[in-house]
Amino acid sequence: QKEVEQNSGPLSVPEGAIASLNCTYSDRVSQSFFWYRQYSGKSPELIMSIYSNGDKEDGRFTAQLNKASQYVSLLIRDSQPSDSATYLCAARFGAGSYQLTFGKGTKLSVIP
Amino acid sequence: GAGVSQSPSNKVTEKGKDVELRCDPISGHTALYWYRQSLGQGLEFLIYFQGNSAPDKSGLPSDRFSAERTGGSVSTLTIQRTQQEDSAVYLCASSRRRDGNQPQHFGDGTRLSIL
Repeated sequence: QKEVEQNSGPLSVPEGAIASLNCTYSDRVSQSFFWYRQYSGKSPELIMSIYSNGDKEDGRFTAQLNKASQYVSLLIRDSQPSDSATYLCAARFGAGSYQLTFGKGTKLSVIP
Repeated sequence: GAGVSQSPSNKVTEKGKDVELRCDPISGHTALYWYRQSLGQGLEFLIYFQGNSAPDKSGLPSDRFSAERTGGSVSTLTIQRTQQEDSAVYLCASSRRRDGNQPQHFGDGTRLSIL
């Protein structure tokens, strides 16, 4: 069973702080990882993608991947109230697979 | 179009009726995916299209569910003899090509409610 696990939260951080969102996955041959943001009642919006071990930065967002530990994280610096949403971690398992397996999401609340 | 377009945005129907959900992917995107999101559950993969063919139907929950894609563009997801457990948000996504590293971009979904 290929799974993606996330802490459901809610995770509350004060405005301006760093929010750290974590995700683990079950399959060592996982190829690609994606973070999506989903506002209540809206569709998932792609935030970051990461394929190689290490860090990838895009503005206030940094994705970190550690394939040995089967762990991927998303850091949000200088958190803003507009970052309050559910963050979904997704993985693509296996070279011949194109579907994404999603975690259930972590709800983030940024307190002004 | 600018984004993935889905219709209808909301659908309420009685148990036992058939429903059709439509997805129009981003122009030029050859890969198309259907997912569903139930309350309290993560996104669940249903089916994937590359062009008009569906190499992966592994997520369809029963033979009441079917999907087709024509002209390499619009896709229709059909649910026959709907059941209450079919109530969910049905999301369509598309990506530029059949490349697992290509990000999938989602439409706004169809919220299906079975009475």
